[in-house]
Amino acid sequence: SAVISQKPSRDICQRGTSLTIQCQVDSQVTMMFWYRQQPGQSLTLIATANQGSEATYESGFVIDKFPISRPNLTFSTLTVSNMSPEDSSIYLCSVGGSVNQPQHFGDGTRLSIL
Amino acid sequence: GESVGLHLPTLSVQEGDNSIINCAYSNSASDYFIWYKQESGKGPQFIIDIRSNMDKRQGQRVTVLLNKTVKHLSLQIAATQPGDSAVYFCAENGDGNKLVFGAGTILRVKS
Repeated sequence: SAVISQKPSRDICQRGTSLTIQCQVDSQVTMMFWYRQQPGQSLTLIATANQGSEATYESGFVIDKFPISRPNLTFSTLTVSNMSPEDSSIYLCSVGGSVNQPQHFGDGTRLSIL
Repeated sequence: GESVGLHLPTLSVQEGDNSIINCAYSNSASDYFIWYKQESGKGPQFIIDIRSNMDKRQGQRVTVLLNKTVKHLSLQIAATQPGDSAVYFCAENGDGNKLVFGAGTILRVKS
């Protein structure tokens, strides 16, 4: 399966600031996704990152808060904007997931907001 | 690393015993299911998957059972080892390529 690298692996940020998380894949992939995993909880899909067009957001997530870029088939970024302590989570990107195929995940970005 | 499963149900098993982790899924239209293992500080790692036209699938030391009648999925781990300690998530493809994750279960293996 593809090798997925996320940067940064962790960060501590001040409230009101923004952070951009990068996801790099070692091969071209059609589908890329961004998830949030709040402390002690399961994964929730934020959005599907579409190459060459705007991301598709899930209910409860908006572009102004979580802008996403997907400039090519190997790279995507997720920005967490105007952060508050409630945004403290693990943010994960995944790839794959075409019909009856599993998604594969990076190791995530552990974000703490003070 | 930090724990991702502070509030999740926990299954404790003795090393060498078999483990059974259960999951209830929500969408009767889901036709593809996956089990993931998440170790501390890591992202979810694919373990095994099953399509809805099957009720059982076996891998190396793992077996997934699917009961569509009651929308239930289980993961059986044979001869559980300390390295199996992790948080386990089931996931279903409720809407096309999107995955919906279950709540997760912490597996603790006692030596």
